[in-house]
Formats: sequence, C-alpha cells, structure tokens
Amino acid sequence: AQTVTQSQPEMSVQEAETVTLSCTYDTSESDYYLFWYKQPPSRQMILVIRQEAYKQQNATENRFSVNFQKAAKSFSLKISDSQLGDAAMYFCAYRSGGATNKLIFGTGTLLAVQP
Amino acid sequence: DAMVIQNPRYQVTQFGKPVTLSCSQTLNHNVMYWYQQKSSQAPKLLFHYYDKDFNNEADTPDNFQSRRPNTSFCFLDIRSPGLGDAAMYLCATSRVIANEKLFFGSGTQLSVL
Repeated sequence: AQTVTQSQPEMSVQEAETVTLSCTYDTSESDYYLFWYKQPPSRQMILVIRQEAYKQQNATENRFSVNFQKAAKSFSLKISDSQLGDAAMYFCAYRSGGATNKLIFGTGTLLAVQP
Repeated sequence: DAMVIQNPRYQVTQFGKPVTLSCSQTLNHNVMYWYQQKSSQAPKLLFHYYDKDFNNEADTPDNFQSRRPNTSFCFLDIRSPGLGDAAMYLCATSRVIANEKLFFGSGTQLSVL
C-alpha cells in the first residue's frame, strides 16, 4: 500500500521569506501523481500544485514550486515570498496512475506566517 | 460560483440517531468521493462512486453508506452515529483523467452528542 509522510506537523515563516515543506512517500508503482493541497481555516481543500511522476522537470505555479526527487521518493513544496494568506494546513497527496483517482493524504503541515 | 456544495455546513446529531449528509456538484464529473477528516488528521477516503459504480474502502465501517441517485447528487448516510464518528466530512469530485485535480466542497462538520 502507498503511504505519504509529512514529518513537520508545524512550520512558521516570516512574511516575504521562503519556506519549504517536506513530504516523502512510499510506493512500488511507476505511474503516479503527486499533489500539494492547501486547507485554510474555511476547511475547503484547494489545489496548490501537481507533479506527474514521469516528468523530470519540477512543477512551478507562481510563488509555489516543488523539488521532486523520484529516486528518493521525496516531494517538497517551496513557498517563496510568503504572504499572510498562505497560512493554512498543507497536505501532500499521492494518486496512482489508474482510473480510480483515489488520493492518499499525508498528515499535514500547519504553516503559520508571521507579519 | 460554488461547484461542489455540501449541506449543511454544521450538523448535530444524537448518538445512534441516523443522519444524512448531502453533496451536489455542477461540474458534471463522473467521480464523487466522500472523505472523513478528524481533528488534526489527514482526510481518509470512505468510498467513491465512478458514475453509478460504488467503490467502498476496505476499512470503511458498515455504519457508513452512500447513495448517488444521479450525476449531481451524492449522499452519505451514517446509520448509527457513534461519538467516534464526529468529524469533518468532505465531498469531492473529479473527471476520470489521471492527473486531474479533485474539487472539494467546504465540508460538513458533524457533531455527535
């Protein structure tokens, strides 16, 4: 079975600074997808960024980028120029390449942004 | 515009009293999911529908059932809620495309008294 591990229950960053959230996963599959979701206090999950395992290039979405290390099964999220609105719970998630589209979530990292 | 709508936002029920949570979508997505998220924990998939095909997770208790009468609506029924079932219940939808993201509703926070 696939597992997703986030070893940092809480992180803090100063506004305008950069922070990196860690995620590792375990799988024997070769075809899969990785995601970072943000869950603000409103509790609605919002996709931040996604990465296809077959792509070597790291995904980037504006201030958000990932460091995808397939051999190490690591998928960290870097947030640059942190903003107050980035404060939220961040979940790393894994999905197999099949049609079921089932997401497996890590336990989350609570990010605080200090003004 | 809300695309995945969950009602109610907060639901209080009594121990053992059946409760139904609802989810509707305007996206016409094939797949609908129900996740349970307990406080400070990761969301856990209970089951999902691929069109009318129901897919139950192996460790989902029998106490949890689901119905999908049409593409737009999906219901979560808890037949006899226990104190341990108090949680946020998240509904999500997706198309059947491998790297497609899930669209989540705002969730229903269930309290069991």
